[in-house]
Amino acid sequence: GAVVSQHPSRVICKSGTSVKIECRSLDFQATTMFWYRQFPKQSLMLMATSNEGSKATYEQGVEKDKFLINHASLTLSTLTVTSAHPEDSSFYICSARDLGRSNQPQHFGDGTRLSIL
Amino acid sequence: GQNIDQPTEMTATEGAIVQINCTYQTSGFNGLFWYQQHAGEAPTFLSYNVLDGLEEKGRFSSFLSRSKGYSYLLLKELQMKDSASYLCFYNQGGKLIFGQGTELSVKP
Repeated sequence: GAVVSQHPSRVICKSGTSVKIECRSLDFQATTMFWYRQFPKQSLMLMATSNEGSKATYEQGVEKDKFLINHASLTLSTLTVTSAHPEDSSFYICSARDLGRSNQPQHFGDGTRLSIL
Repeated sequence: GQNIDQPTEMTATEGAIVQINCTYQTSGFNGLFWYQQHAGEAPTFLSYNVLDGLEEKGRFSSFLSRSKGYSYLLLKELQMKDSASYLCFYNQGGKLIFGQGTELSVKP
């Protein structure tokens, strides 16, 4: 079964709306979670590393004021796309590390398809 | 530095065998992942190689050579549903370093 839950799976909203995406680790604690975006026919692009109890680390070129990340607990990280515009339409995926599983330490959420009209 | 390469596209015939190669360069290495991703869906786990050698899981096998910085994913008895993108990546200090993904098309 899923060990990382991502919600919502799909969002369609008007330009200017802020959208919050949640990523939860279900049966393990994740001090670190990762947020990616993916454009069609391209690989995952790391946006930021979410650290529990501290500020997220953003990759070069990713606007931290645009993509707000909060990691308030060991099992939940949220990504908020503020004042979303059509160019923010993409597939957003989170992942989390389970240090207790040596055979599959990395788990992905099911992804969120964001469409801004 | 960090670098990981895999072919962008491959085409194979249903029932055949296909090998997808992945080469990497890294100063630190904690194992290599292979994931399958169908269009519009999240990646799903295929394999995680930490030690050298071949690991077989049904129709899928993955090989790793740490000294050569080389891995491959072998898919046997290809099925149409195997048409997908295949991602190889490794964990570098907690950050995942991805290849560009190999888009595999399986033809009848």
